[in-house]
Amino acid sequence: GAVVSQHPSRVICKSGTSVKIECRSLDFQATTMFWYRQFPKKSLMLMATSNEGSKATYEQGVEKDKFLINHASLTLSTLTVTSAHPEDSSFYICSARDPFGQGGGYTFGSGTRLTVV
Amino acid sequence: GQQVMQIPQYQHVQEGEDFTTYCNSSTTLSNIQWYKQRPGGHPVFLIQLVKSGEVKKQKRLTFQFGEAKKNSSLHITATQTTDVGTYFCARVFGNEKLTFGTGTRLTIIP
Repeated sequence: GAVVSQHPSRVICKSGTSVKIECRSLDFQATTMFWYRQFPKKSLMLMATSNEGSKATYEQGVEKDKFLINHASLTLSTLTVTSAHPEDSSFYICSARDPFGQGGGYTFGSGTRLTVV
Repeated sequence: GQQVMQIPQYQHVQEGEDFTTYCNSSTTLSNIQWYKQRPGGHPVFLIQLVKSGEVKKQKRLTFQFGEAKKNSSLHITATQTTDVGTYFCARVFGNEKLTFGTGTRLTIIP
């Protein structure tokens, strides 16, 4: 089945620094990938749609200058949290859908737990 | 788009009991998907429903899509400890954006 790899799984950074999270589709090409944020015991909130070769589409209320998304190839999207602050601490997860996969479901990366100190 | 609501928010059941979570939307859904997220894990796709009144089964799991395509349910028969996790329904929007319901957290009492 479709596999999405996400790295790092955990990261601790200091306030004011930037953190890059990578999301790779391993066995399929994804022109579109999605980035979510999840707070403890809450649902996943869609942050943005990453589009290969073009600008990302951000959901209402998500700061595009703070959460930089780059989708430079058909198998890689990156999310950079810039000038991180403690309130940015969260679980970030990416997803993609294999266009030739069965069932229509989306495959998720294993997530990145970001802690800003 | 409006978030899909799920009830209950939490459910604690004795092992072997049945469990049901309900997903409700104020607008008609073109489709509904269900995901399971284990504690500390990521969502895993379970199923997609598209047709009005559709019923699909996966072993002890039964999924239903309402006739009006505004609600859906997931029923687990004879729960096991491996069923622990949060169950989310999710809808796909036009440009393939997937948005999640509020989720139901299931805990099993052995």
